[in-house]
Amino acid sequence: DSGVTQTPKHLITATGQRVTLRCSPRSGDLSVYWYQQSLDQGLQFLIQYYNGEERAKGNILERFSAQQFPDLHSELNLSSLELGDSALYFCASSLAGKYNEQFFGPGTRLTVL
Amino acid sequence: DAKTTQPNSMESNEEEPVHLPCNHSTISGTDYIHWYRQLPSQGPEYVIHGLTSNVNNRMASLAIAEDRKSSTLILHRATLRDAAVYYCIPLQTGANNLFFGTGTRLTVIP
Repeated sequence: DSGVTQTPKHLITATGQRVTLRCSPRSGDLSVYWYQQSLDQGLQFLIQYYNGEERAKGNILERFSAQQFPDLHSELNLSSLELGDSALYFCASSLAGKYNEQFFGPGTRLTVL
Repeated sequence: DAKTTQPNSMESNEEEPVHLPCNHSTISGTDYIHWYRQLPSQGPEYVIHGLTSNVNNRMASLAIAEDRKSSTLILHRATLRDAAVYYCIPLQTGANNLFFGTGTRLTVIP
């Protein structure tokens, strides 16, 4: 158990819909990262937040957005969903610091029908 | 970001040592070499990291070539639980995100 929790575990929705994925980081971790894992693209970094502020952006689509709240939990919002958005979405957290070890949650499996 | 080359797959017998290689010839002098693994149906898991010296922890050892263009993750006695995809990731100090390549899928044979 990494200490990172993600909800829901599974999500099934239709094209065009909007969903919100939630992540609670390990106690004390200030950074939250979101990753997408699909069969054709592998594991890809989407976005990072540090203490409520966006810190880095990766291959995140404009239809996707995220935020980190004062209690440090984070949400990833996916809108206008397409079939290709079906994937595993992982959240990770880390302490601020030079070694940047990340602890990953169990993931949310999103299926878009 | 430095590019990495890892074998797509490797096999090992249970309780035998496993050496997982990684080439990262474009690594910069300040990039740490991180290894993560992903067990089936789980999120990635940190294994070990190092800069120049060989490193050991309870999970594995990391041997880094003198020119830092390659490294080898060593599992001293493979168990069935070590069956996973192993990712080698060069990372700048303080860098914010992990770029996962295709990794090496390790199969452990009982």
